[in-house]
Amino acid sequence: GQQVMQIPQYQHVQEGEDFTTYCNSSTTLSNIQWYKQRPGGHPVFLIQLVKSGEVKKQKRLTFQFGEAKKNSSLHITATQTTDVGTYFCAVGSGYSTLTFGKGTMLLVSP
Amino acid sequence: ETGVTQTPRHLVMGMTNKKSLKCEQHLGHNAMYWYKQSAKKPLELMFVYSLEERVENNSVPSRFSPECPNSSHLFLHLHTLQPEDSALYLCASSQARGSYEQYFGPGTRLTVT
Repeated sequence: GQQVMQIPQYQHVQEGEDFTTYCNSSTTLSNIQWYKQRPGGHPVFLIQLVKSGEVKKQKRLTFQFGEAKKNSSLHITATQTTDVGTYFCAVGSGYSTLTFGKGTMLLVSP
Repeated sequence: ETGVTQTPRHLVMGMTNKKSLKCEQHLGHNAMYWYKQSAKKPLELMFVYSLEERVENNSVPSRFSPECPNSSHLFLHLHTLQPEDSALYLCASSQARGSYEQYFGPGTRLTVT
């Protein structure tokens, strides 16, 4: 299946600081999805990116798909304590089942 | 969020017990998945069902036996588990097999003693 690397594995920020997580693949992707899992919860779908260079925003979250469709980033502006959780990217190619990255755990201190 | 439900939410079982996990989706989806989530391997895909047919089995030990009687229900039968099988077991569904977004249930926290 697909190989996907997600970095960093863990990040601890102060409330108000920005946060970015990156997802990288060695192969061209048909799409990439992002999920958030709160502590004690389950992964929840956030967004899907399909087009080369695509940028989508959800309030303070900005999602970007690389021009070569091999990488993506999730950027959170001015983090809040409600942003705490693990953020997973999931990559797709054709009819293959999604492959999830190992996730980036975000901790936000007030 | 009640699109995908799982029961029980917590389960403690001995190594010689037999138990079953149940998943039900109310989204009209045609694909369903079992994942194992532990500290070592955050989201480990176990099985994929598409239109009630098992289409993926990722080298899962035979002590885990899935069953999909219809497109809305998915079971994971457990037998003679090991302590290292303790984990959160997540069920998910999607519109179809492939790279569609997945909707997860709340999971079953399994402890094997």
